[in-house]
Formats: sequence, structure tokens, C-alpha cells
Amino acid sequence: KAGVTQTPRYLIKTRGQQVTLSCSPISGHRSVSWYQQTPGQGLQFLFEYFSETQRNKGNFPGRFSGRQFSNSRSEMNVSTLELGDSALYLCASSLYVGGYTFGSGTRLTVV
Amino acid sequence: EDKVVQSPLSLVVHEGDTVTLNCSYEVTNFRSLLWYKQEKKAPTFLFMLTSSGIEKKSGRLSSILDKKELFSILNITATQTGDSAVYLCAVESSGNSGGSNYKLTFGKGTLLTVNP
Repeated sequence: KAGVTQTPRYLIKTRGQQVTLSCSPISGHRSVSWYQQTPGQGLQFLFEYFSETQRNKGNFPGRFSGRQFSNSRSEMNVSTLELGDSALYLCASSLYVGGYTFGSGTRLTVV
Repeated sequence: EDKVVQSPLSLVVHEGDTVTLNCSYEVTNFRSLLWYKQEKKAPTFLFMLTSSGIEKKSGRLSSILDKKELFSILNITATQTGDSAVYLCAVESSGNSGGSNYKLTFGKGTLLTVNP
């Protein structure tokens, strides 16, 4: 079966712009969570959605937002990009507690 | 604040060696501890541990959880060059007791390099 699909794979944006990343979970998985990975901070939790509702949110500024659609696909948006937002953004889908499958991520570079 | 600490941060060994990676944690509303292997981008699942003292094994890899002392170890025996990767420990917790708002808190990872 298809895995977790993230698009685009790579993205280069300029400071001040906004960006939208997409995540399609494994078919049947209703939970999607997002993580930011940087060399200094490692993997940090951004937010988690289940059945179109945000259930949990990490300690990131309000410039980071997300949503989930009725087909469980999720998007995250970062507005007013800063250089420090350069990172690998990973999403994970889950059918049950503990069963997280990660996508290959979107590499965002802010210049 | 939830915290997961892995040690060592990096390790260089020769093929055939046995390695032990450590993970200690302090989280509220613990649900499970997970180990992942990350080679390029997508972390790939290795183990999920929920009960103390029960060893999980998969080939040359094994892991165990101690919920009293709040730590887990990942063992790799007879290492191969293909084991070279970052090994991530993550703890799953919920926002409140019995709640459904789950999240993973990751350690910084252990970079394992296996030389031929």
C-alpha cells in the first residue's frame, strides 16, 4: 500500500514569503502530525490533526498553522518566513496509538 | 516540559561490534516509547515499547524499556555498515490523563557509524 506522501520534496523561498506544504496519509489513517527537524533542535512537534480537528499543538509561533481535510490529507502553512524556518518538515500518519509512519519530508530553504 | 535525552550523541564502531544506545525520558502522561532509524529523510519504525521489562527483538536489534527508571536501550549486535544511521528515540504522550491529543517528543538522536 502507498506510504505517506509529502509534496513538494524541496522548496526555496525568500524571507517574508509564505509557504504551504502538503501531506497525504496512508489510506485509512485519520491522524496526521507534523514535525520540524533542524540540526540544532532535532525533531520538534508542530501539531496533530484527527478528523479535521487540531487535537494538539507544539510550542511554535502562530505563523505556523495547519488544517486537515475530510479525506485526511493535511496541509501546513508558514507565513512571513524567517531564515530560521529552514528545516526538514516531516509528517506522520497514524491509525492507532504508537503506529506512526513518516513521509520523506519537505526540505524548506529560506533565503 | 517533556524531555527525551539520548546518549551517546555519536558512536563509531567496526563491523561486528555490538552497540548499546541509551534513551532516558521525563514526560507527563506516558503512553509508549518508540525507536526509529533515520538514514536519509523518513524515519523508519523499529520498535514500540509500552511495558517494562519485555524485550522486543527484530533480527540483530533488540530493545527494552524500564518505566520505573524511565529509560530504554537499543542493542545492535554484529553491526554491519548498513546499520550506519541516526537512531531516534521518541516518547508518545497525551496532553492530559486519558486524553486523545497525542504527540511525540524526540531525543536528538545517536549518529552511528559502522566502519568496515
